[in-house]
Amino acid sequence: AQSVTQLGSHVSVSEGALVLLRCNYSSSVPPYLFWYVQYPNQGLQLLLKYTSAATLVKGINGFEAEFKKSETSFHLTKPSAHMSDAAEYFCAVRAGGGADGLTFGKGTHLIIQP
Amino acid sequence: DAEITQSPRHKITETGRQVTLACHQTWNHNNMFWYRQDLGHGLRLIHYSYGVQDTNKGEVSDGYSVSRSNTEDLPLTLESAASSQTSVYFCASSVADTQYFGPGTRLTVL
Repeated sequence: AQSVTQLGSHVSVSEGALVLLRCNYSSSVPPYLFWYVQYPNQGLQLLLKYTSAATLVKGINGFEAEFKKSETSFHLTKPSAHMSDAAEYFCAVRAGGGADGLTFGKGTHLIIQP
Repeated sequence: DAEITQSPRHKITETGRQVTLACHQTWNHNNMFWYRQDLGHGLRLIHYSYGVQDTNKGEVSDGYSVSRSNTEDLPLTLESAASSQTSVYFCASSVADTQYFGPGTRLTVL
C-alpha cells in the first residue's frame, strides 16, 4: 500500500518569494509521483510527474520537483511566486507504472501575499 | 479538442434516492476513474475501469456502483444516497501514466 503526507494544509508566501510545498510518500515498490494543481471550482491539472527517469522533474508554470529516495520526498518548488499561483496543490503516488488509481495527499492551499 | 466532461455540475437530492453522475471522455482512453473530494481528505478513489465490461472497487466504494458499456462513458450510481455522500465527485481518464480530470460534480444530499 502507498500513502502521501503533505506537510502544511496552508502555506503563505509573498509575491516573488520562493515557493516550497512538501510531500513525503511511502510505497512498498518504486513509486510514480505526481503534483496536481486545482484552481477554485475547477478540476485537477497535472503540474509534473516522476516516473523513474530523471530525479529532477520540471513542470508547467515554472514549477519543479526533486525525487529523493533516501528522504522519501517529492517536494514542489518555484523560485518566484506569482499571484496566479494561488491554488490548491495535491501530491499523489502510484505504486509503479500501470493503470491503477492514484493515492492523494490531503492538499496544500497556497496563498500569495502581495 | 478531446476532453472529459461531467454532468450535472451541481446536484441536490434527498436521502434514499438513486442518483447517477455522468462522465464522458472523447480521448478513447481505456482507463477511467471516479474520485470523491472532501475537505481534509484530498481525493479518494471510488471505482475504476480498465475497459468495456471491466470495473474495480477503490478505497471508498461502499454505496457506489459503476458500469462500463462503452469506452467513452463511466457513469457513477449512488444506489441510495446518504448525507455522508455529500461531496465533490471527479471523473478521470488516463493514458501513459497521466490522469486527466473532469471539472467535477458537486453533490448535496439533504
